[in-house]
Amino acid sequence: QVQLVESGGGLVKPGGSLRLSCAASGFTFSDYYMSWIRQAPGKGLEWVSYISSSGSTIYYADSVKGRFTISRDNAKNSLYLQMNSLRAEDTAVYYCASVLYPDTFQHWGQGTLVTVSS
Amino acid sequence: QSALTQPASVSGSPGQSITISCTGTSSDVGGYNYVSWYQQHPGKAPKLMIYEVSNRPSGVSNRFSGSKSGNTASLTISGLQAEDEADYYCSSYTIFGGGTKLTVL
Repeated sequence: QVQLVESGGGLVKPGGSLRLSCAASGFTFSDYYMSWIRQAPGKGLEWVSYISSSGSTIYYADSVKGRFTISRDNAKNSLYLQMNSLRAEDTAVYYCASVLYPDTFQHWGQGTLVTVSS
Repeated sequence: QSALTQPASVSGSPGQSITISCTGTSSDVGGYNYVSWYQQHPGKAPKLMIYEVSNRPSGVSNRFSGSKSGNTASLTISGLQAEDEADYYCSSYTIFGGGTKLTVL
C-alpha cells in the first residue's frame, strides 16, 4: 500500500533553516508529481510547493518563494523541502502528498511539525 | 488568488444528508472540472474523498458525492454516520477552501 513518511521537523529559531524529507513506498515514485502542503495550528490547509515527476517543473506559493526549495531523488524514492529564513508564520504541520495530475492530492503522509520560535 | 469559500460549520443528525458548498470564481472552480474534497479527522492527515468534481477514489463510501454548478462545488454526504464528523476541505488546483467542520448531532 502507498506510504508517505515525513521527517525532519522540529523547533528552530527565526531566521534558521530546516530540511524536511518524505520517504515514499508502495507506488512508482518516479511516475508522480509530488507536493508539500502545510497546516498551521488550528488553521486550514495551505499548498506550499509542487514538483514534477522528473523534477524539471517546480512551483511555489508566494509565501515561501525565494526561501524554500523543493527537490526529489527518484533513485531514493524521496522528496525534500529545504526551508531557509524561517519565520514564525511558517510554524505548521508539513505534509507531503502524491499528486494525481494535475491537481488532486491523492495520498498524504502523517505530517511533521515545524515550530519556528525564539 | 483567494481561498475558496466554505461555510465554517454544518451539522446533521445520523441518517440525514448534508451538503457543504465551496465557492470560487470562473478562474478556478467555475473554469475547470478540477475540484477535490478532503476529510480530516482531528490529529490526522487529510484523506481524499472526491476528485475532479464527482469522482470517488477506490474505498471511499458511495455515501459521498460531489457536484458543481457555475462557480460553486458541493459535497453531499448521505446517510450521515458518527464517523463522518470531521473537517472537510475543498480545493481547486492549489487553492484550498477554509474548511468546514461537520458535526453529527
